[in-house]
Amino acid sequence: AQSVTQLGSHVSVSEGALVLLRCNYSSSVPPYLFWYVQYPNQGLQLLLKYTTGATLVKGINGFEAEFKKSETSFHLTKPSAHMSDAAEYFCAVSDGLYGNNRLAFGKGNQVVVIP
Amino acid sequence: DTGVSQDPRHKITKRGQNVTFRCDPISEHNRLYWYRQTLGQGPEFLTYFQNEAQLEKSRLLSDRFSAERPKGSFSTLEIQRTEQGDSAMYLCASSTIGGSSYNEQFFGPGTRLTVL
Repeated sequence: AQSVTQLGSHVSVSEGALVLLRCNYSSSVPPYLFWYVQYPNQGLQLLLKYTTGATLVKGINGFEAEFKKSETSFHLTKPSAHMSDAAEYFCAVSDGLYGNNRLAFGKGNQVVVIP
Repeated sequence: DTGVSQDPRHKITKRGQNVTFRCDPISEHNRLYWYRQTLGQGPEFLTYFQNEAQLEKSRLLSDRFSAERPKGSFSTLEIQRTEQGDSAMYLCASSTIGGSSYNEQFFGPGTRLTVL
């Protein structure tokens, strides 16, 4: 079974500073990894995904993440935080081609951007 | 709007009542997933359909919960004899299937259930 660990439920970052959200996964098969963003009272929007190939993946809104198999990590970064980045962020893993693609999510990080 | 839609967006009910939620997936999507998200947690998988067949149910889905997808189009999730612990956001997602590439799940806005 797949699982994801996200530490630190609330993350505060100053506007213009680096955003770093950590994600570690556990999977018995080659994982597919995702970051989603959720704004208040809305569904989930895909930020970026890793399936195969290049381990550094770029997503929307200037976010990127790097898949590191040796560290079982998929950390999300953005060089310069913007006020509009305030939201909840979820890391997720699926079994990709080996199963039904159901997603296992972490507990999420609530990002607060300080002006 | 061609995205995933869910109805209602909010539902308040009294403990012991039955509730039903509806999800309309993106029209050409074969797979439909239900997730539950409680306060301060990430979404948790409940069940999924491939066309009209329900292929997997999580242990979270007690016998008070039932889901259907007649004709492989929209889906309904019913909760009987609601309990306060059922209060959560219920999310629906849909995706295509097939080929060698990942089939992205597109999420609806969710139905927020409050059980008093």
